[in-house]
Amino acid sequence: NAGVTQTPKFQVLKTGQSMTLQCAQDMNHEYMSWYRQDPGMGLRLIHYSVGAGITDQGEVPNGYNVSRSTTEDFPLRLLSAAPSQTSVYFCASRAGTSGYNEQFFGPGTRLTVL
Amino acid sequence: AQSVTQLGSHVSVSEGALVLLRCNYSSSVPPYLFWYVQYPNQGLQLLLKYTSAATLVKGINGFEAEFKKSETSFHLTKPSAHMSDAAEYFCAVRLGGYQKVTFGTGTKLQVIP
Repeated sequence: NAGVTQTPKFQVLKTGQSMTLQCAQDMNHEYMSWYRQDPGMGLRLIHYSVGAGITDQGEVPNGYNVSRSTTEDFPLRLLSAAPSQTSVYFCASRAGTSGYNEQFFGPGTRLTVL
Repeated sequence: AQSVTQLGSHVSVSEGALVLLRCNYSSSVPPYLFWYVQYPNQGLQLLLKYTSAATLVKGINGFEAEFKKSETSFHLTKPSAHMSDAAEYFCAVRLGGYQKVTFGTGTKLQVIP
């Protein structure tokens, strides 16, 4: 199993540009999430999905859009990039409804917005 | 609502010394608790998790954590630090199966030779 994969690993955007961060998992996990990691702030949840066709907002959703058309894929779209979106983005997935199930994280995408 | 507090954003220990990373949580119901580790330029990986089977939980790489309900704590320890333990450690809490996970702000562990 490849686990959780993310592309690209690095990206530089100009203010106002849009792009999509890709995330895929091959573990048939129902639950997928997007986080951003900023120094001193830990991981903050952007959007999450509990299954194909079902998404919801996390604590910092503004400026981001998601969709979940398949169990495997959960892309994150930046609609109009801003310097405040410079961050490291992590996708994660986990199985089922048990609270004990841990999350599996991708390697991250380091995004810089100029 | 749930929250997690990690005391100390940076902790330095000498190689061979005890590692103690603190985590306190706030929750209205018994929580699910996790510790994750992040090595430089990598994603997070699970170190250990509390499953209610025992209050002392053993994880990978010699780490363990003790759940203390009365103190609402889940501190991470390791008897003897290795250079390879240098990383950032995150405590996380979740209230239920489909509930969102809340992460602490992380503690960077430096191991001094």
